[in-house]
Amino acid sequence: GESVGLHLPTLSVQEGDNSIINCAYSNSASDYFIWYKQESGKGPQFIIDIRSNMDKRQGQRVTVLLNKTVKHLSLQIAATQPGDSAVYFCAENWGYQKVTFGTGTKLQVIP
Amino acid sequence: EAGVAQSPRYKIIEKRQSVAFWCNPISGHATLYWYQQILGQGPKLLIQFQNNGVVDDSQLPKDRFSAERLKGVDSTLKIQPAKLEDSAVYLCASSSIRGRTEAFFGQGTRLTVV
Repeated sequence: GESVGLHLPTLSVQEGDNSIINCAYSNSASDYFIWYKQESGKGPQFIIDIRSNMDKRQGQRVTVLLNKTVKHLSLQIAATQPGDSAVYFCAENWGYQKVTFGTGTKLQVIP
Repeated sequence: EAGVAQSPRYKIIEKRQSVAFWCNPISGHATLYWYQQILGQGPKLLIQFQNNGVVDDSQLPKDRFSAERLKGVDSTLKIQPAKLEDSAVYLCASSSIRGRTEAFFGQGTRLTVV
């Protein structure tokens, strides 16, 4: 299938290790920040979001950290599995449900 | 619940031809988005509908692209005439109006212009 990860920054992680994917955003007025996962040949899939007045939110095996001072967002995946291999995009939600995607990061899990 | 449906899955056309994509959002979702995703890049918003009204089409190349959402449900995106640089995956997404950030995406239509 089509590789959406071509030319994107790549993070290679050993299976079972933790992964940290970083994102810089630009719009200080964003209400929410969102992480999406996109597997080859598929549309993006929502993982987790965080409201702009929070600095940390945890989900199942994932944690999102928000640092508004430096406009930085990160996604931490615990105990990375082969099924986590995909391209990860951060996105900003602002205005009337406007969603703007950032540059993606390709995560490669090494068995 | 059924997901966002898009068709066709793939399309190959010659430059200067026209093409149309169709999207059926999740039932009850008032917001519908069309995104263009060029290989190796993040999705770029082309147009956003709220019911059958346009909320944002600032990045839609209106000289060649058009979109409509009749009756606030299905939507079509048209390109006429197509250019080589229009080769991309066209993604449709929908979300509910109730303040949730989660947008549900279809599998997309991969367009190749030759």
